[in-house]
Amino acid sequence: KQEVTQIPAALSVPEGENLVLNCSFTDSAIYNLQWFRQDPGKGLTSLLLIQSSQREQTSGRLNASLDKSSGRSTLYIAASQPGDSATYLCAVIGDYKLSFGAGTTVTVRA
Amino acid sequence: NAGVTQTPKFQVLKTGQSMTLQCAQDMNHEYMSWYRQDPGMGLRLIHYSVGAGITDQGEVPNGYNVSRSTTEDFPLRLLSAAPSQTSVYFCASGPGRGEKLFFGSGTQLSVL
Repeated sequence: KQEVTQIPAALSVPEGENLVLNCSFTDSAIYNLQWFRQDPGKGLTSLLLIQSSQREQTSGRLNASLDKSSGRSTLYIAASQPGDSATYLCAVIGDYKLSFGAGTTVTVRA
Repeated sequence: NAGVTQTPKFQVLKTGQSMTLQCAQDMNHEYMSWYRQDPGMGLRLIHYSVGAGITDQGEVPNGYNVSRSTTEDFPLRLLSAAPSQTSVYFCASGPGRGEKLFFGSGTQLSVL
């Protein structure tokens, strides 16, 4: 059974600081890995999808890396803004099933 | 383009009542699924479908039924609601195996 862990569970940083969010998984036989953002009381917004053959994926201030062999992915958010405050979830895609971490709740202080 | 639409957004049930959560997608995706989200536990897969007429169980299927009669719709049925089913439910769809998933906005369900 795939186990996905996100550390830390919560993070508070001043505006402008770079964010580093970690995701680890136990089974390296994955198709892809997807990072989501969730605002309080809202649904999930897809941020980045990294295919298993890729090492990283970038979109604007976001950069996600994937190391399948060690079972790790990292989401970097450059120059954080108060609008980046949210919960960030990583999901490992295996066949037709996603296994989610519990998320990292980020607060960016103005 | 509506994407994935879930109804209702909020629902309160009494123990033992039944209800159906609706999910519809307009992207012609073959894959659809239901997740529940509980505090501190992340999202857990309830049931999923890889096409019309094909469904399978996920991690936490007990107490829930599904069917897939069309490509567009994938309803989730609670036959006899229990307080342990109080949760936020998300429907998701995707074009195929291992592909990016698109989520609905969720249904917040409370069972008293």
